[in-house]
Amino acid sequence: EIVLTQSPGTLSLSPGERATLSCRASQSVSSSYLAWYQQKPGQAPRLLIYGASSRATGIPDRFSGSGSGTDFTLTISRLEPEDFAVYYCQQYGSSRFTFGPGTKVDIK
Amino acid sequence: EVQLVESGGGLVQPGGSLRLSCAASGFTFSSYEMNWVRQAPGKGLEWVSYISSSGSTIYYADSVKGRFTISRDNAKNSLYLQMNSLRAEDTAVYYCARVFGVATFDYWGQGTLVTVSS
Repeated sequence: EIVLTQSPGTLSLSPGERATLSCRASQSVSSSYLAWYQQKPGQAPRLLIYGASSRATGIPDRFSGSGSGTDFTLTISRLEPEDFAVYYCQQYGSSRFTFGPGTKVDIK
Repeated sequence: EVQLVESGGGLVQPGGSLRLSCAASGFTFSSYEMNWVRQAPGKGLEWVSYISSSGSTIYYADSVKGRFTISRDNAKNSLYLQMNSLRAEDTAVYYCARVFGVATFDYWGQGTLVTVSS
């Protein structure tokens, strides 16, 4: 089973700053099968990025995804107040879906 | 508008059973693969089960295999999760989620809380 590790666990930043979130897989993941989600308290997750780098419908262009193989990155170019949330990466392989443990982006 | 509405959650004793439902609307349900994903209180997301659009292919997480059964009724636009032999560690909010493209969850319900406790 592929295990996803996200770092850092918590990222404390100010609005307007750049956020760089990492997702590392225990073995190679097809880029087609790597996605990122945002979750705010009391809400369901929201799809941000699919196929490692494609933005989902309605997602602002300040969100971007990159990476391949075992290392993937979610970048938020300039944090808006509504971006403070928990972010999860997710992959599919061998008839299994797995999520990373999440990175919390909070206000510094 | 795509909508997924879960129901059936509640308080159940260890060893008990519960059946969750997910009512889908706003899209052609029979054309989409579906999943159940859960989230224990204060914890991260955990995938539970997958079902293909026809229901012919099903996958389970190891943590629920042999205890949970996923099914769907395309005529009723509904997804189900039969949960047996429930344990305290099954306590979580359970979400149904639609598969987009290859293996991405593009729409999620609001979730239903299952609490396993004596």
